[in-house]
Amino acid sequence: QVQLQESGPGLVKPSETLSLSCSVSGGSMNSYYWSWVRQPAGKGLEWIGHIFTTGKTNYNPSLKSRVSMSIDTSKNQFSLRLSSVTAADTAIYFCAREQWQAPLDPWGQGTLVIVSS
Amino acid sequence: DIQMTQSPSSLSASVGDRVTITCRASQSISTHLNWYQQKPGKAPRLLIFLASSLQSGVPSRFSGSGSGTDFTLTISSLQPEDYATYYCQQSSSPPRTFGQGTKVDIK
Repeated sequence: QVQLQESGPGLVKPSETLSLSCSVSGGSMNSYYWSWVRQPAGKGLEWIGHIFTTGKTNYNPSLKSRVSMSIDTSKNQFSLRLSSVTAADTAIYFCAREQWQAPLDPWGQGTLVIVSS
Repeated sequence: DIQMTQSPSSLSASVGDRVTITCRASQSISTHLNWYQQKPGKAPRLLIFLASSLQSGVPSRFSGSGSGTDFTLTISSLQPEDYATYYCQQSSSPPRTFGQGTKVDIK
């Protein structure tokens, strides 16, 4: 079955850019949306955005000015970049698969990113 | 954005209890409503999709209902492994939005 795994630096300095990748194994990336969700410690889930295999994106308006996503189906991975980070961006970041108007499933295990100098 | 409001935010229940969690959307989302279970340190797990469809492998004590703006997740007989936080999420339109979560703990 399809499995997702996040990777990237666990510590990012304030004002810098957070960069994460999600590797997809066990299935094709085609015809799916690939999503990012984050969760600050002790808080709820926030959808960051998703990218289709054509490169079409939808972003959360609250983050839109700082977010960009990319996809490389030949490498079976997609990526998240979040610029100008602050301590408020400290969270566990999850990647997940999505179909249009369908649930997020499966999910990666999540990766903790701390924003601190 | 479509706002999702869950209630209650937390509840205490005993093993064997029937538990009901509600989720209200700020506008109609038809049946594009999903429920997830999350345990500490773990990724969310899909329980219910399209408001009432049980995800493969999920015990039948979990059920969902509703359409439009009002939805319900029911656990018919709470088991020890069900103590967790539950989230609703709308997949009707971007941005996808989640409820604030309902923490179910031991009474």
